[in-house]
Amino acid sequence: GENVEQHPSTLSVQEGDSAVIKCTYSDSASNYFPWYKQELGKRPQLIIDIRSNVGEKKDQRIAVTLNKTAKHFSLHITETQPEDSAVYFCAARGGGGKLIFGQGTELSVKP
Amino acid sequence: EAGVTQFPSHSVIEKGQTVTLRCDPISGHDNLYWYRRVMGKEIKFLLHFVKESKQDESGMPNNRFLAERTGGTYSTLKVQPAELEDSGVYFCASSSRTSGNTGELFFGEGSRLTVL
Repeated sequence: GENVEQHPSTLSVQEGDSAVIKCTYSDSASNYFPWYKQELGKRPQLIIDIRSNVGEKKDQRIAVTLNKTAKHFSLHITETQPEDSAVYFCAARGGGGKLIFGQGTELSVKP
Repeated sequence: EAGVTQFPSHSVIEKGQTVTLRCDPISGHDNLYWYRRVMGKEIKFLLHFVKESKQDESGMPNNRFLAERTGGTYSTLKVQPAELEDSGVYFCASSSRTSGNTGELFFGEGSRLTVL
């Protein structure tokens, strides 16, 4: 069935360093790949998304890349700040229409 | 504009009891989704409503779970009887009809269910 694998499960970086989270998906019909951020005790919120006709998208300090051939997509956060600490979820929307989420990455940015 | 609201925020019940979770989507959003996250694992799809109709309920674990969306507004998710493995955070999310299949999902803050 449809599956999204996300790595790493936890990531700790120093403030100012970069953080990279990687996901792979199984459904080759997937055409939409959002990333959600969930701060402690709050709701998941969309931070960036990419569609299958685009290879890369950037928004200030965050960027997402997509490799459709390899069925990989990644989130890159540069110049990390303590407020970037949260759980990040990748997701893929496949042919069935629903979003399939990865397992989440708990990012900790140490000041 | 009010976001997606869920009630209760936390429920603690004993095995065998019944719990009903409620979700109020953003006004005008035809698409309503239920998801569940068990600690440390993925946010797992349960089902999708379009207005009052169940579009996809392939993620519902078993017949102890019943979701309804009468009138196409708020939705309820009932677990009866609850089992230990039902513990987790139940998220509701909504999106507008015009978002189609690539639109943003707006999440509620979740209902944490603990079954003892």
